[in-house]
Amino acid sequence: ETGVTQTPRHLVMGMTNKKSLKCEQHLGHNAMYWYKQSAKKPLELMFVYNFKEQTENNSVPSRFSPECPNSSHLFLHLHTLQPEDSALYLCASSRPLGQGNYGYTFGSGTRLTVV
Amino acid sequence: DQQVKQNSPSLSVQEGRISILNCDYTNSMFDYFLWYKKYPAEGPTFLISISSIKDKNEDGRFTVFLNKSAKHLSLHIVPSQPGDSAVYFCAASALYYGGSQGNLIFGKGTKLSVKP
Repeated sequence: ETGVTQTPRHLVMGMTNKKSLKCEQHLGHNAMYWYKQSAKKPLELMFVYNFKEQTENNSVPSRFSPECPNSSHLFLHLHTLQPEDSALYLCASSRPLGQGNYGYTFGSGTRLTVV
Repeated sequence: DQQVKQNSPSLSVQEGRISILNCDYTNSMFDYFLWYKKYPAEGPTFLISISSIKDKNEDGRFTVFLNKSAKHLSLHIVPSQPGDSAVYFCAASALYYGGSQGNLIFGKGTKLSVKP
């Protein structure tokens, strides 16, 4: 158990479907992140939330819609995705900058396949 | 334009020998560097970090070296064990500057295979 839980672990969806990815942490962290990992590419930062406020949207298409209702939960709502959106979606959390060891704790990821 | 580069996609090492994983960066504002390890079907896990005020940090079998003038860091694993076989990601951050500069930027990863 990493402390950051992502559900579902695997998801297959059609291009017209609407689905949501969920991330939950109980580490007392106040920053949460969505990353995308595609084959042979670096981990790509998608969104950053600090204290429930979105502080970064890394030019992500609007078919990806994040939601952070509180510091412990983060969602990624998916709508009309494309096959090239198939990837491993990783959630991470961290302490705010300046508060001790600054490292991210990652979840196990959701393996998304768009058909 | 990649700010953090891991130019070797894979590395194969014999058990007991040294594994050296390399990472280069381009952003001179980066002041904090981390290595993460990732097994299949799991998220990356933090391994070791180094601040730019140091040039070496050691934790058991793992040592990270930082050469600021060359904008290069490396991870040494001695001795290598089969359980070390995983993908290793280098990450960097401009912590001092804060804000979005403080977000971690990752490389593509290097897949290490340690053979018995």
